[in-house]
Amino acid sequence: DQQVKQNSPSLSVQEGRISILNCDYTNSMFDYFLWYKKYPAEGPTFLISISSIKDKNEDGRFTVFLNKSAKHLSLHIVPSQPGDSAVYFCAASDSGAGSYQLTFGKGTKLSVIP
Amino acid sequence: GAVVSQHPSRVICKSGTSVKIECRSLDFQATTMFWYRQFPKQSLMLMATSNEGSKATYEQGVEKDKFLINHASLTLSTLTVTSAHPEDSSFYICSARRTGTNTEAFFGQGTRLTVV
Repeated sequence: DQQVKQNSPSLSVQEGRISILNCDYTNSMFDYFLWYKKYPAEGPTFLISISSIKDKNEDGRFTVFLNKSAKHLSLHIVPSQPGDSAVYFCAASDSGAGSYQLTFGKGTKLSVIP
Repeated sequence: GAVVSQHPSRVICKSGTSVKIECRSLDFQATTMFWYRQFPKQSLMLMATSNEGSKATYEQGVEKDKFLINHASLTLSTLTVTSAHPEDSSFYICSARRTGTNTEAFFGQGTRLTVV
């Protein structure tokens, strides 16, 4: 049973436009959400996170939105740049569990076309 | 930001031999570290949670005798793939979070293991 789902395996966006990556989760105990960017043969790099007490967090070109009632979050990248081309993973954790484990989605491969 | 160093980045070994992968948190203490495995075009799958000074907690389906984890200090965890076989070929990644926090996890660079 996949608790974190990224239903779009890939996404292509023109340079300068907005990229929207979506993520859904099923575990209502998740209270902290993160987005990671990953290049092939490298470890994931942290991008941005959001706590369940918020519905929006912004950091430069990256904004994460959280809709708790829908158990849905999204990552907006604007404007998109060719260097943003990578695989983006959504991750979630349950701070009450104590172990701080992250549960990952399968990732969405973003291609930004110059 | 915090740095997690993983070594080696790439290793090729013969079937039947053992390989050790190191994961170090360079500028923070990590009571808990995590080991992931990634198959091509798939997500990061948690293999085990490494706890400093105690036994690791393995996820269902992960053989603890095959994937030995040692977390002897607050900055170092090791994963040893014992008696490696070609099906163990994969990309292994470790991560660590600052002790006592529920903030972002920092990842190592990953290790590409190829068993021939």
